[in-house]
Amino acid sequence: ELKVEQNPLFLSMQEGKNYTIYCNYSTTSDRLYWYRQDPGKSLESLFVLLSNGAVKQEGRLMASLDTKARLSTLHITAAVHDLSATYFCAVDLRNFGNEKLTFGTGTRLTIIP
Amino acid sequence: DVKVTQSSRYLVKRTGEKVFLECVQDMDHENMFWYRQDPGLGLRLIYFSYDVKMKEKGDIPEGYSVSREKKERFSLILESASTNQTSMYLCASSLRSEVGAEQYFGPGTRLTVT
Repeated sequence: ELKVEQNPLFLSMQEGKNYTIYCNYSTTSDRLYWYRQDPGKSLESLFVLLSNGAVKQEGRLMASLDTKARLSTLHITAAVHDLSATYFCAVDLRNFGNEKLTFGTGTRLTIIP
Repeated sequence: DVKVTQSSRYLVKRTGEKVFLECVQDMDHENMFWYRQDPGLGLRLIYFSYDVKMKEKGDIPEGYSVSREKKERFSLILESASTNQTSMYLCASSLRSEVGAEQYFGPGTRLTVT
């Protein structure tokens, strides 16, 4: 059974600081997704990582994937209040050629002015 | 832009009622999914469908069934609602792809069973 663990589960950080969210998973996969969810809203896709060593960046967020370590990171640079949200990673475990995502429990990020 | 819509944002039902949650996507996606989201548990997959009239159980299918009669529409059915099915329900869709395809989510339906 695939397990996806994120840490930390809760994170409060000051504006301007840097931090990293970690996503560990238990089964071989080379497809990993990051999503953002604002309070009361649905999930929005942030990054799609499709190979070992993949790195994607958008603004102050950068995601990377190490398939050998079964680890993905979401790095936040010089945090701003707008980044306050819950962040989920999800791992794609192929099932008869179609993707089936298993999600982590999420990291609730609060940026404090 | 991909659009995934769900029939209700909020729903209140009584124990034992039959409940239908509808999801429609407008981008001709082959795959559709139903999740429930609970605090501290993340998203858990209930059922998914790769094609019309096809369905596969997810991780927590007990107490639920689904129907996909048309490509754009995927329905989640609670045959006899129970209080432990109070949750946020999210529908998603994606293209069928060998290299991976992100899922697009609807706005969610917050279901309360009393």
